Amino acid sequence: QSVLTQPPSASGTPGQRVTISCSGSSSSIGSHYVYWYQQLPGTAPKLLIYSNNQRPSGVPDRFSGSKSGTSASLAISGLRSEDEAYFYCAAWDDSLSGWVFGGGTKLTVL
Amino acid sequence: EVQLVESGGGLVQPGGSLRLSCAASGFTFSTYDMHWVRQPTGKGLEWVSGIGTSGDTYYLGSVRGRFTISRENAKNSLYLQMSSLRAGDTAVYFCVRGGDPEAFDIWGQGTMVTVSS
Repeated sequence: QSVLTQPPSASGTPGQRVTISCSGSSSSIGSHYVYWYQQLPGTAPKLLIYSNNQRPSGVPDRFSGSKSGTSASLAISGLRSEDEAYFYCAAWDDSLSGWVFGGGTKLTVL
Repeated sequence: EVQLVESGGGLVQPGGSLRLSCAASGFTFSTYDMHWVRQPTGKGLEWVSGIGTSGDTYYLGSVRGRFTISRENAKNSLYLQMSSLRAGDTAVYFCVRGGDPEAFDIWGQGTMVTVSS
């Protein structure tokens, strides 16, 4: 069982906006930045969002991140078929003195 | 081009040892934290270990005392010495750059470790 909790699945139709939640604790998300990663089938994960809401260069502004208290969210607007992938959140956890990931959310574009 | 290339994976018996290597190129290796993250087949990501620029090390609880992370800046290389391996350690192991503030910003392609008799 992962320290950060994500829904196992999410879905939407092309053009829609979907959100993926990530719930943690005061020692993880409540005290530290949240990061989001996208993993396409058969490939290594790719950094999507860092420091809660910052996008690396090259990541479309359709992807946005937010954080409130001990929870965070990833929003994807203007959904496209190529967005179909697994999404993971991550944060540092003081009580474990290590990084923790969410269990991952499989996004399906209907 | 910034690149991380892992090697050293393979099949090992329970209780055995294995050493993973990661060759870095395209950036100043000595100025970045580095990490190992693993992913069992069909499952999620799990951070395993990290090493800072000063050599400070961090470990997942279940591998502490069995795994040792190290780096050789002169060779732009990261290592993970794994001993007392268990079936639960079976996974693809990724070498990952710890950007600041971007955290895990560059990933290798991964190397498969299978612990089985």
